[in-house]
Amino acid sequence: AAGVIQSPRHLIKEKRETATLKCYPIPRHDTVYWYQQGPGQDPQFLISFYEKMQSDKGSIPDRFSAQQFSDYHSELNMSSLELGDSALYFCASSPRQGNYGYTFGSGTRLTVV
Amino acid sequence: KNEVEQSPQNLTAQEGEFITINCSYSVGISALHWLQQHPGGGIVSLFMLSSGKKKHGRLIATINIQEKHSSLHITASHPRDSAVYICAVRPGWNSGGSNYKLTFGKGTLLTVNP
Repeated sequence: AAGVIQSPRHLIKEKRETATLKCYPIPRHDTVYWYQQGPGQDPQFLISFYEKMQSDKGSIPDRFSAQQFSDYHSELNMSSLELGDSALYFCASSPRQGNYGYTFGSGTRLTVV
Repeated sequence: KNEVEQSPQNLTAQEGEFITINCSYSVGISALHWLQQHPGGGIVSLFMLSSGKKKHGRLIATINIQEKHSSLHITASHPRDSAVYICAVRPGWNSGGSNYKLTFGKGTLLTVNP
């Protein structure tokens, strides 16, 4: 079965550079969620999208932006990268309606040097 | 107090032992996930439960909705099972909070020695 696809799997960037992470949900899932997990930390909710509109916002820095496209894939854009942005960024998708759980991507590990 | 509590926080076992990790939550839920994360690795979804019991290979997950409790069991544990196991819940529609965001437990670090 198709899963949530994230790209790239690993990314190394220098301070002050920009990065774009991509998340492709499974078919028929209209909602995408982004989480950030720092080293040894719990996952922190960043932002979610439903039907191409932002549906909820968590602890996402102003330097980050995200959007969901017409094919439901989502991109997380990160600018002016800082060392503290080094983390695992994973996304998940779900149908918005009903009592369903998430399908998780395996994540993008970002290292800022 | 975290809405999702896991126990134990750390667990060391010998290869072949039967492992149980517990998760208790305080909100009404629509689904509960058990996730696995190897050191430096990504998230692997093991189970999604809304009732009853599921089995996949050596892994078994159970949930008791009335008691707001779930357990993850590993039979015949192996060193490759060493990882952090995370319980995460999706609140239900009538829980008073956002139905959409997951609430994560702190994780259980399992080490299985050969």
